[in-house]
Amino acid sequence: DAKTTQPTSMDCAEGRAANLPCNHSTISGNEYVYWYRQIHSQGPQYIIHGLKNNETNEMASLIITEDRKSSTLILPHATLRDTAVYYCIVRVPGSSNTGKLIFGQGTTLQVKP
Amino acid sequence: GAGVSQTPSNKVTEKGKYVELRCDPISGHTALYWYRQSLGQGPEFLIYFQGTGAADDSGLPNDRFFAVRPEGSVSTLKIQRTERGDSAVYLCASSPAGLTDTQYFGPGTRLTVL
Repeated sequence: DAKTTQPTSMDCAEGRAANLPCNHSTISGNEYVYWYRQIHSQGPQYIIHGLKNNETNEMASLIITEDRKSSTLILPHATLRDTAVYYCIVRVPGSSNTGKLIFGQGTTLQVKP
Repeated sequence: GAGVSQTPSNKVTEKGKYVELRCDPISGHTALYWYRQSLGQGPEFLIYFQGTGAADDSGLPNDRFFAVRPEGSVSTLKIQRTERGDSAVYLCASSPAGLTDTQYFGPGTRLTVL
């Protein structure tokens, strides 16, 4: 299973862009990169996912390097409500191919006024 | 529309007791997942249902844990002879179908075993 590596914590000033990196150097060709976040005392929330092209939605942008060994989640204008733990996840392949998510420790993003 | 709901939101029990945790997935979602989250850790996969059947139960820690989804909608996670180490937040997620589909999580049930 591909593993991901993320910084333990990051700070960001309110209104600024938050750039959260993730390394997934052993990713397989058919594995997607997913980002979820978890605000305190809530369940994880889906943000975005991609295979190899950059993706953008109303919440964030996902930049995946050409070799797919790393990616960056960008929150273009961080607000205090974006303070959360952000998880970078690579979908697990397998004979059953269940799509279960394997969460690491994630990055705790603190947005400061 | 309504999201994934879980009941109860909190459950306190004594060591050795039996507990049931309920998950109501989003209507029409065929896939359902259970995860467990200990304090300070990311969620850990327990079991996956596709319809009524458990397609992957490889994450269940031991035979005290069991889950059912008899009609392909609501699921119940059952824990027998609870231990203090079972204390955690139990999360349920559902997704429409397909292997790349987004999983939508409920708020979780916080289980405390005294």
